[in-house]
Amino acid sequence: QKEVEQNSGPLSVPEGAIASLNCTYSDRVSQSFFWYRQYSGKSPELIMSIYSNGDKEDGRFTAQLNKASQYVSLLIRDSQPSDSATYLCAVNGNQFYFGTGTSLTVIP
Amino acid sequence: DAGITQSPRHKVTETGTPVTLRCHQTENHRYMYWYRQDPGHGLRLIHYSYGVKDTDKGEVSDGYSVSRSKTEDFLLTLESATSSQTSVYFCAISESTPRGQGIHEQFFGPGTRLTVL
Repeated sequence: QKEVEQNSGPLSVPEGAIASLNCTYSDRVSQSFFWYRQYSGKSPELIMSIYSNGDKEDGRFTAQLNKASQYVSLLIRDSQPSDSATYLCAVNGNQFYFGTGTSLTVIP
Repeated sequence: DAGITQSPRHKVTETGTPVTLRCHQTENHRYMYWYRQDPGHGLRLIHYSYGVKDTDKGEVSDGYSVSRSKTEDFLLTLESATSSQTSVYFCAISESTPRGQGIHEQFFGPGTRLTVL
């Protein structure tokens, strides 16, 4: 079992819709959780960090954490074509682990 | 921008040759990391450093060595490159968040695309 699991997609949503990205993790001692955005041919860019159960909002992005279910999600509201990228979930317990990413395409 | 550069950005080499990749940071971060990224595997940790001359192995360290003689530079060496080491290599640094308690956000350099023929 991988430490961090993500649906690889591709996920396609129309412009203006809400994109929902999901991630599960296996290590119960994990304390911090991150979402990275990676454009093709570029390096990962940190977009959200979350440490406590519940929701954290930053602009059009909302991260949700449920430690009991070992589940992290990222919602992107009012999706734009510029949001088309691969989104990586990362979990920091004893070590940093990354998921393989979910490819998102926003269709104009 | 966490002030991270990587060199070279692209390299093509032959099997059996030694290769050294360099990561340079300008902001005095304590922690530095080397990852490789491959389709279907995501980002995998090769080695990391928690200070000058202090390094440790990651998930996929076989065939790789590292050195950190100065805070700003973290070198990754492939002693004898193999085709399985064809990959994109990312350097990262981490900073403690305002929460402290060892919770680190990682920031990545631009990457090096290495092809071993």
